[in-house]
Amino acid sequence: GENVEQHPSTLSVQEGDSAVIKCTYSDSASNYFPWYKQELGKGPQLIIDIRSNVGEKKDQRIAVTLNKTAKHFSLHITETQPEDSAVYFCASHTGNQFYFGTGTSLTVIP
Amino acid sequence: EAGVAQSPRYKIIEKRQSVAFWCNPISGHATLYWYQQILGQGPKLLIQFQNNGVVDDSQLPKDRFSAERLKGVDSTLKIQPAKLEDSAVYLCASSLGVSGTGELFFGEGSRLTVL
Repeated sequence: GENVEQHPSTLSVQEGDSAVIKCTYSDSASNYFPWYKQELGKGPQLIIDIRSNVGEKKDQRIAVTLNKTAKHFSLHITETQPEDSAVYFCASHTGNQFYFGTGTSLTVIP
Repeated sequence: EAGVAQSPRYKIIEKRQSVAFWCNPISGHATLYWYQQILGQGPKLLIQFQNNGVVDDSQLPKDRFSAERLKGVDSTLKIQPAKLEDSAVYLCASSLGVSGTGELFFGEGSRLTVL
């Protein structure tokens, strides 16, 4: 089955700096890669996604890149703000199922 | 638009007892998922429904877990008897379409503690 690995598990950045979270996947048939943000006590919420026919997608301060050859994708957050502090999960979709990474706890220090 | 509703938010039980969780998805969403999220891990799929039929329950421990989605709307997830390792947050999610690659909308989860 699909295996999604996510790094780092924790990340601390100063407010205004950039944050990068990286994920790798194993199944070359995976075709959809969403990123979810989970705040304490809440369910995950989609923040950005990318499909396998696209290499990069940007939405304001958030961007995602996909390298299908290397089977890895990354989340980039620029100009981080304290409200970006949360746990971020990457996921891949294959075989009618989503597979989630283990999460990255991001702390933005004011 | 109302989100995915789950109850109860918290439940504490002794091992070998039973527990049931309820989920009401977003109106009109065809696909409903139950995920188990153990502390420090990502969500793991337990069961996926499309309307009122099961699409995938390969990771559901069927000797103790059961789930149903009556009339293709609400769903319940039951654990009987519970084990210590079932302590987790149980997340319900729904999505609009049936293709499987649409956005998942998650509820706030039901946190289960088994003592």
